[in-house]
Amino acid sequence: DTEVTQTPKHLVMGMTNKKSLKCEQHMGHRAMYWYKQKAKKPPELMFVYSYEKLSINESVPSRFSPECPNSSLLNLHLHALQPEDSALYLCASSQDAGYTGELFFGEGSRLTVL
Amino acid sequence: GEDVEQSLFLSVREGDSSVINCTYTDSSSTYLYWYKQEPGAGLQLLTYIFSNMDMKQDQRLTVLLNKKDKHLSLRIADTQTGDSAIYFCAESGAAGNKLTFGGGTRVLVKP
Repeated sequence: DTEVTQTPKHLVMGMTNKKSLKCEQHMGHRAMYWYKQKAKKPPELMFVYSYEKLSINESVPSRFSPECPNSSLLNLHLHALQPEDSALYLCASSQDAGYTGELFFGEGSRLTVL
Repeated sequence: GEDVEQSLFLSVREGDSSVINCTYTDSSSTYLYWYKQEPGAGLQLLTYIFSNMDMKQDQRLTVLLNKKDKHLSLRIADTQTGDSAIYFCAESGAAGNKLTFGGGTRVLVKP
């Protein structure tokens, strides 16, 4: 199993809603990542978890709150988002955070904020 | 800071070879990558090269790395219509845990 599974595939939310994006992998990887990709732009790193601990936060606004309940799961909690937060949110995993020889991406969750 | 640049667009005829070029600035990067993204999909890792290598070949894909010029290229032999996609190069940085992506090259394969 070399898959990173993300749910939901599509999400539409209002600016006052609270929602969560979920990511799961069963490759035994100990590092997991959230990236944000705007249309026609490259992915931009948001967060890195290494061994279930947050190791990198790329100065992401607090309305995005990551959580890593265990080594296979990664969540991104969303609250009070803005329309400019609409984007494709990509989850990825790698064997560990110090070695990204192979970084596996999920298909992404496409978020629209109204 | 890190900067990765690619040309925006490449058009190629089916059966020809495609060459996608990339330049980067962080000479301490441990790994350099090529990813493929089809419309509406996530990123698929195509290949990667360790910084102490000059070339890596994997079936139809050939990666060339010129560390002196900080230039990376991806050659796709016998390009097929299924190769139409956006191709991103990326560098890992010295610590290897933060990928910086180029802007992507949109490849269009014409029959």
